[in-house]
Amino acid sequence: EVQLVESGGGLVQPGGSLRLSCVASGFTFSSYEMNWVRQAPGRGLEWVSYISSSGYIVHYADAVRGRFTISRDNAKNSLYLQMNSLRAEDTALYYCARVVGEHQVDYWGQGTLVTVSS
Amino acid sequence: DSQMTQSPSTLSASVGDRVTITCRASQSISSLLAWYQQKPGKAPKLLIYKASSLESGVPSRFSGGGSGTEFTLTISSLQPDDFATYYCQQYNSLWTFGQGTKVEIK
Repeated sequence: EVQLVESGGGLVQPGGSLRLSCVASGFTFSSYEMNWVRQAPGRGLEWVSYISSSGYIVHYADAVRGRFTISRDNAKNSLYLQMNSLRAEDTALYYCARVVGEHQVDYWGQGTLVTVSS
Repeated sequence: DSQMTQSPSTLSASVGDRVTITCRASQSISSLLAWYQQKPGKAPKLLIYKASSLESGVPSRFSGGGSGTEFTLTISSLQPDDFATYYCQQYNSLWTFGQGTKVEIK
């Protein structure tokens, strides 16, 4: 069974940093591209970042480029999102999600909540 | 990147109704569109990919259509479990979601 379990969320002040983690199981993590997607409270879904299976190719949404860094450790079946210079508008539930086929997303974790507030 | 516009934002319907949600892309995305269902407090669930391919395990009352810039998600006979929010997502150029359509009980 495919499982994605996020952690690392919490309350942080504006300008602060957090590192999110996502541990994968039930599939060969190193063979799959991955995304981070977020959802602000009561709002819709917003794609945040992408990483290739090797980790060599990454993409970011304009809203986070230059502040967030995606990475992975295939030996640990883990995906990461380093978030710096956090803003109130970054408050959201952050999901890690598996990319398949022609880049649709088939599995999602349950999310980890990031709250940016003073 | 393509912007995605869903309509309607909210849809009131009854069990047994045929329901159609529309998603329009700001530029052609070929058939690289997915539909997701999300229930409160839960992660999204993939229903349809490549505009019209049904994900394994998804009931056949769900169907998708369209290509280029206009797409539809149809539920042929709405069931109690289908009351949820639905999102389209393009993956032709990075990823962009529509704003969502909430299907509520009439």
